[in-house]
Amino acid sequence: QKEVEQNSGPLSVPEGAIASLNCTYSDRGSQSFFWYRQYSGKSPELIMSIYSNGDKEDGRFTAQLNKASQYVSLLIRDSQPSDSATYLCAVNTYFGNEKLTFGTGTRLTIIP
Amino acid sequence: DTEVTQTPKHLVMGMTNKKSLKCEQHMGHRAMYWYKQKAKKPPELMFVYSYEKLSINESVPSRFSPECPNSSLLNLHLHALQPEDSALYLCASSRGQDYGYTFGSGTRLTVV
Repeated sequence: QKEVEQNSGPLSVPEGAIASLNCTYSDRGSQSFFWYRQYSGKSPELIMSIYSNGDKEDGRFTAQLNKASQYVSLLIRDSQPSDSATYLCAVNTYFGNEKLTFGTGTRLTIIP
Repeated sequence: DTEVTQTPKHLVMGMTNKKSLKCEQHMGHRAMYWYKQKAKKPPELMFVYSYEKLSINESVPSRFSPECPNSSLLNLHLHALQPEDSALYLCASSRGQDYGYTFGSGTRLTVV
């Protein structure tokens, strides 16, 4: 079982709609969760972090965490073409050594 | 200063060459990381330095040799690389695992 799993996509969403990105993780001891955005040919950029169950909102972005279900999601409201990128879920895991483990990423395309 | 600076941005090297990648941050972050990223794949952890000491080596071949001269600098020395080592090499830093990483813009390495 992969430690952090995401649907690879591509996920196509019309401009102005809500984009929903999902991530599951296997380490029940994980405490911190992150979403990174990566444009093609560029480095990852941290856009959201979440540590407690529930929702966390920052502008058009909302991160949701459910530790019982081992599930993290990212909602992007009023999607813009500039949101087209690969979104990487990252989880602080404790297998052997403590480290940040990335999912394979979901490629999101916003259709004008 | 909220940036991680990597040099060079692009590097082409032969299989017999010796080169070094450099990374610098002035955010007072205690941990620094080297990641390797191939096209359409997530970043793959190579090395972790914590308080200038190597804390994680993800079974990386010895042709990659990390060095942390001080708390702001991280180097990756390259020697006798193979064409399959061509990738984007990312440096990152963090206050700690629970705070997420700040990535540099990366070095695009091509081994010929």
